[in-house]
Amino acid sequence: NAGVMQNPRHLVRRRGQEARLRCSPMKGHSHVYWYRQLPEEGLKFMVYLQKENIIDESGMPKERFSAEFPKEGPSILRIQQVVRGDSAAYFCASSPPAPGVGPGELFFGEGSRLTVL
Amino acid sequence: AQSVTQPDIHITVSEGASLELRCNYSYGATPYLFWYVQSPGQGLQLLLKYFSGDTLVQGIKGFEAEFKRSQSSFNLRKPSVHWSDAAEYFCAVGASDYKLSFGAGTTVTVRA
Repeated sequence: NAGVMQNPRHLVRRRGQEARLRCSPMKGHSHVYWYRQLPEEGLKFMVYLQKENIIDESGMPKERFSAEFPKEGPSILRIQQVVRGDSAAYFCASSPPAPGVGPGELFFGEGSRLTVL
Repeated sequence: AQSVTQPDIHITVSEGASLELRCNYSYGATPYLFWYVQSPGQGLQLLLKYFSGDTLVQGIKGFEAEFKRSQSSFNLRKPSVHWSDAAEYFCAVGASDYKLSFGAGTTVTVRA
């Protein structure tokens, strides 16, 4: 499968624990984006990363959330001290770096569903 | 702030019948508009997009959408649905190539 890979697909955590969600972009893609879908709502942009750089984190909650995209390995979205309100589907998308890729041409994974008990 | 409303949570349509999914947006300038589809067990896939020019946009899988500025709408249509079109459809608006706001989605069920 050459698509965007996210794992785990489902994650259950108790309040106060940490959640780590991983995203491997499509082969050849160096841009990664994280989106969150709260229940009954649409996906909302959280953060945009390139290798070893956070380009835009304007959609990230100010506390407890962090994201990284290291030189090697997948991108990680980390949520510390989870609360019930963090229960959501978290989608990762990637895009290639080459010019000519137009707006919105993001390739999405299947999402990781976090449930906080 | 940008936002998207998809008024229909769930639509059921017979195979071979036409389909129209509604999308209304709120945005201060000329938006980038998109429709994505998510089939069961799959990631979101881009169906079509509108940036400028012809307001009737053709996409993949036989879908088209029409941008109507006066109505702030970007409705998706297909003349004849196939059972494989059963999925969840998301409309999105964006100011840039990645900072998109999505609607809550419309689930389409196709009956034989």
